[in-house]
Amino acid sequence: AQSVTQLDSQVPVFEEAPVELRCNYSSSVSVYLFWYVQYPNQGLQLLLKYLSGSTLVKGINGFEAEFNKSQTSFHLRKPSVHISDTAEYFCAVIFTGGGNKLTFGTGTQLKVEL
Amino acid sequence: ETGVTQSPTHLIKTRGQQVTLRCSSQSGHNTVSWYQQALGQGPQFIFQYYREEENGRGNFPPRFSGLQFPNYSSELNVNALELDDSALYLCASSATGTSVYNEQFFGPGTRLTVL
Repeated sequence: AQSVTQLDSQVPVFEEAPVELRCNYSSSVSVYLFWYVQYPNQGLQLLLKYLSGSTLVKGINGFEAEFNKSQTSFHLRKPSVHISDTAEYFCAVIFTGGGNKLTFGTGTQLKVEL
Repeated sequence: ETGVTQSPTHLIKTRGQQVTLRCSSQSGHNTVSWYQQALGQGPQFIFQYYREEENGRGNFPPRFSGLQFPNYSSELNVNALELDDSALYLCASSATGTSVYNEQFFGPGTRLTVL
C-alpha cells in the first residue's frame, strides 16, 4: 500500500536549537517528495521538493531535507530554528503513475519556545 | 501576478444542505486540484480538473462534484452535507506542461462548518 507517515504529531524545541521532523513513506513505485508549511489560517506553502538528482535538498527559510531511498525517508531539518518557524509541517508524496496528486502525512506541529 | 484565491473564507451550513465553494486559479494555470483537510489531519485529494474535464479523483463519494470554467476557475459542490464534511477545503492550481512535475500553488482555503 502507498502511504505517508509522520510519526511526530508535535515537536517542541527551543529557539536557536536544531530540529528534525520525520517523514517515512511506503511505495512500490518511484516517488516525488515534498515538504509544505502551513501557518495558522493560511494555505500551504512549499518548503522544498525532491524530484531527482542530489538526495540533499535545500529549501526556503533555511530548511533542508535528505531523501534516503533504502529507508524510504525524507526527514526535514533546520540547524537553528526561530520563533517564526512555529507552524504545521506536512510531508507529501507523489506516487509516479498516479497523476499529479499529492498524498499528505498527518502533519507535525512545530512549536518553537523562547 | 495574482495568486490562488478562494471564496468564501468561512461558511456554516446544516446537515442535508448543499454548498458551493469557489477557486480562482493563478494566472497562466490550467489545472485545479481540490483537497479536504479535516481538523488535525493532512489534506486529502478530492479531484483534479484539467481543461474543464475531471482528471483524477480521490476516495470521495459522488456527492462531491466539481466544475472548471473556460477561464480555469473552479467550483467544488457538495450535496447532502454531513457533519464529517466539516473541514478546510483547499484549492491548488498548476500549469500542466512537459515537466515531470508541475508545482501546485495553494489558496488560503475555505473553512466549512456543518451543524
